[in-house]
Amino acid sequence: KNEVEQSPQNLTAQEGEFITINCSYSVGISALHWLQQHPGGGIVSLFMLSSGKKKHGRLIATINIQEKHSSLHITASHPRDSAVYICAVVWGGSQGNLIFGKGTKLSVKP
Amino acid sequence: EAGVTQSPTHLIKTRGQQATLRCSPISGHTSVYWYQQALGLGLQFLLWYDEGEERNRGNFPPRFSGRQFPNYSSELNVNALELEDSALYLCASSSPVSVAGLETQYFGPGTRLLVL
Repeated sequence: KNEVEQSPQNLTAQEGEFITINCSYSVGISALHWLQQHPGGGIVSLFMLSSGKKKHGRLIATINIQEKHSSLHITASHPRDSAVYICAVVWGGSQGNLIFGKGTKLSVKP
Repeated sequence: EAGVTQSPTHLIKTRGQQATLRCSPISGHTSVYWYQQALGLGLQFLLWYDEGEERNRGNFPPRFSGRQFPNYSSELNVNALELEDSALYLCASSSPVSVAGLETQYFGPGTRLLVL
């Protein structure tokens, strides 16, 4: 059983579409990260949040701690948004640890 | 400001050999994390170092080990390599943190290890 589940696994969108990627988790967490991994493997941290909502440019991340769910939204999607988006939760008591979802592969077509 | 750097970018070894991977964190960061991303699998937490000490390790056998030097750079050593150790190994760094994951982590480009 995966502690962090992402959906969908794969997503194809047309440029300009509004995109939502979901992350559900089954463990108690301190925080949640959204990461972006480009085809070459490089990873960029997009957001770290423990409650509510954060916005950066066209990206919005929300989290509902009670429902153990987070969403990443991309408005006005662009081909350069094509990447794998990974959700990771902070778990592990006093020491902490990141548990990763398997990622959502997004492809935005022009 | 320089980002997290890792070396080598690619490494080819044979079964039973040892591999050493290196990571230099962003200046001012004292925490270094190692992750493994095997083909078809998600990222998995390997090790967390802070202030020269191992703070936490993931569910990996003892042949995965490492250390952090006084300048906060870090080495990951994998002994007795097995075919399934072939993966992308990512290093990340963050500002000082008491609980891993509660600071933004900045990732390096990774080292691709291939075990033949």
